[in-house]
Amino acid sequence: NAGVTQTPKFQVLKTGQSMTLQCAQDMNHNSMYWYRQDPGMGLRLIYYSASEGTTDKGEVPNGYNVSRLNKREFSLRLESAAPSQTSVYFCASSRQGSNQPQHFGDGTRLSIL
Amino acid sequence: AQSVSQHNHHVILSEAASLELGCNYSYGGTVNLFWYVQYPGQHLQLLLKYFSGDPLVKGIKGFEAEFIKSKFSFNLRKPSVQWSDTAEYFCAVKQGANAGNMLTFGGGTRLMVKP
Repeated sequence: NAGVTQTPKFQVLKTGQSMTLQCAQDMNHNSMYWYRQDPGMGLRLIYYSASEGTTDKGEVPNGYNVSRLNKREFSLRLESAAPSQTSVYFCASSRQGSNQPQHFGDGTRLSIL
Repeated sequence: AQSVSQHNHHVILSEAASLELGCNYSYGGTVNLFWYVQYPGQHLQLLLKYFSGDPLVKGIKGFEAEFIKSKFSFNLRKPSVQWSDTAEYFCAVKQGANAGNMLTFGGGTRLMVKP
């Protein structure tokens, strides 16, 4: 059971380049999320998708776009990468319901030069 | 906006010492509370959760947490830590019944256990 799969695991970009981070889950979860993790700041929500066909902004959406391609897949796009977007990005998924825990992928470590 | 505070950013303990990590949140309504652990180089894993009932919840690997509503706190405890507990610990809060099931995370506490 793969759970939440993120690709790639590592990526280095130059400022201004574009990039799409991929995320897929095989747990039939309705909700999916993208976070960034920065030292001392915990995880901050970038975008989420409560269900297939819907997406909403989280705490730090600027500079990012998302696509909920189908129930399984939720991608995060950086249209014009900036050094401030250097971070570790985590995708997560969950069943609907406020007491449902989120399940996380292994993360994508992204460096922007 | 809701916030979650973890006051201890770094904790160093010797094996067999007792552990308590603080977590306080700001939201006054119904909440669901979680503790996640992130071992070096790995993704976040759920340690335990609280959503109703007994305010003392037990999780995996001997961890427990107590929800004290009057103090807006959900502190994590373990009576005797092991070297393998070296990790970063995150408290997270979800407002009850909010759309999208959004979690708000604390800044994390990095625990180092010396053998």
